Amino acid sequence: DTGVSQNPRHKITKRGQNVTFRCDPISEHNRLYWYRQTLGQGPEFLTYFQNEAQLEKSRLLSDRFSAERPKGSFSTLEIQRTEQGDSAMYLCASRSTGWGGGETQYFGPGTRLLVL
Amino acid sequence: AQTVTQSQPEMSVQEAETVTLSCTYDTSENNYYLFWYKQPPSRQMILVIRQEAYKQQNATENRFSVNFQKAAKSFSLKISDSQLGDTAMYFCAFMTPTSGTYKYIFGTGTRLKVLA
Repeated sequence: DTGVSQNPRHKITKRGQNVTFRCDPISEHNRLYWYRQTLGQGPEFLTYFQNEAQLEKSRLLSDRFSAERPKGSFSTLEIQRTEQGDSAMYLCASRSTGWGGGETQYFGPGTRLLVL
Repeated sequence: AQTVTQSQPEMSVQEAETVTLSCTYDTSENNYYLFWYKQPPSRQMILVIRQEAYKQQNATENRFSVNFQKAAKSFSLKISDSQLGDTAMYFCAFMTPTSGTYKYIFGTGTRLKVLA
């Protein structure tokens, strides 16, 4: 069990540039989440995948944000035309299905984005 | 809408002492789960302990235990015999299967520092 991995761990970009983050969930987990964590706040839900289907998107996910999960494996989160307000830690989490532990999400180390 | 409140932004405790972190939540749901996650500096978030609302018995995991007061909507975390490695941000999280996505709602966190 290699856990949830995220790449890159850090990203510095200039305002207006596009960035893409990758998340590799635990291999047998078919549910995947993206959260955003700003300084001094708890993580906030962005979007949810069940296999390759994106089933829910938060209002926080503006039209500059897009997430995909091709083939129900890894997921990518892209931010177009970045703004300084996008600076945050982007967390990915995954979970299995079923009861008796399936409710627990396992988090990756996050990608810290700084928009200059 | 559900909310989670952590009213203690920062706390400190002497090594080997006991500390209690507070969490309150608001929901009209009857079926839900509560979690405490630990986020060490620059490291990923890991599950400390979880509680199913339908269980009356408080959850315990080694030095960590909770005081779950369902009627009061309170879910505090007690750390006994505090260790330097317990220094971290601690987040309380709420989840209800009714959401369909099992997404988490987090509090703003409590920064705990264990002093030598």
